[in-house]
Amino acid sequence: GAGVSQSPSNKVTEKGKDVELRCDPISGHTALYWYRQSLGQGLEFLIYFQGNSAPDKSGLPSDRFSAERTGGSVSTLTIQRTQQEDSAVYLCASSLVRAEQFFGPGTRLTVL
Amino acid sequence: SQQGEEDPQALSIQEGENATMNCSYKTSINNLQWYRQNSGRGLVHLILIRSNEREKHSGRLRVTLDTSKKSSSLLITASRAADTASYFCAIRGGSEKLVFGKGTKLTVNP
Repeated sequence: GAGVSQSPSNKVTEKGKDVELRCDPISGHTALYWYRQSLGQGLEFLIYFQGNSAPDKSGLPSDRFSAERTGGSVSTLTIQRTQQEDSAVYLCASSLVRAEQFFGPGTRLTVL
Repeated sequence: SQQGEEDPQALSIQEGENATMNCSYKTSINNLQWYRQNSGRGLVHLILIRSNEREKHSGRLRVTLDTSKKSSSLLITASRAADTASYFCAIRGGSEKLVFGKGTKLTVNP
């Protein structure tokens, strides 16, 4: 079946604007994760959704970042009032419970 | 911090040689996973090794885990140019999230 998809693949925005990044997980995967990867760095955990449980938001860097997952499927990561340090590749992954994570191709965000 | 630390940061070898990458961590783990990333985009899962396992194989890949030393190694045998990528270890502790290291950048020269 189809893998994890993310849109847009690239996003260029001006400082201070809001952006929305979308993730479509693999059908049937109950867990969904968002990560951020800055140039040449490892992945930084942002947020985790599992079924109907309250999400683990412990990785969100500031209150400008939020995410939701509608109907246990599609997720949207929103960054308000973007800053230049928000520039990074945002990666989404999905999995069955306690299983390997399948990653999408990422969204490259550039804040000018 | 649970974060895995890969060593070396960069590795350059000739095609046909073996490549060994190491990962060290600081806390107890449920499992440890290795991922590969090409061209700075999506990651591909390679191997998952549980805390009660010591070694796993998958094709040309061999992963070891030493929980007493809090370390793991990834061995790629008979490397190919197509193995050129960044390799990350990821730690799963008590929660569901994975904590990634900064990766080892492997270059396999033809």
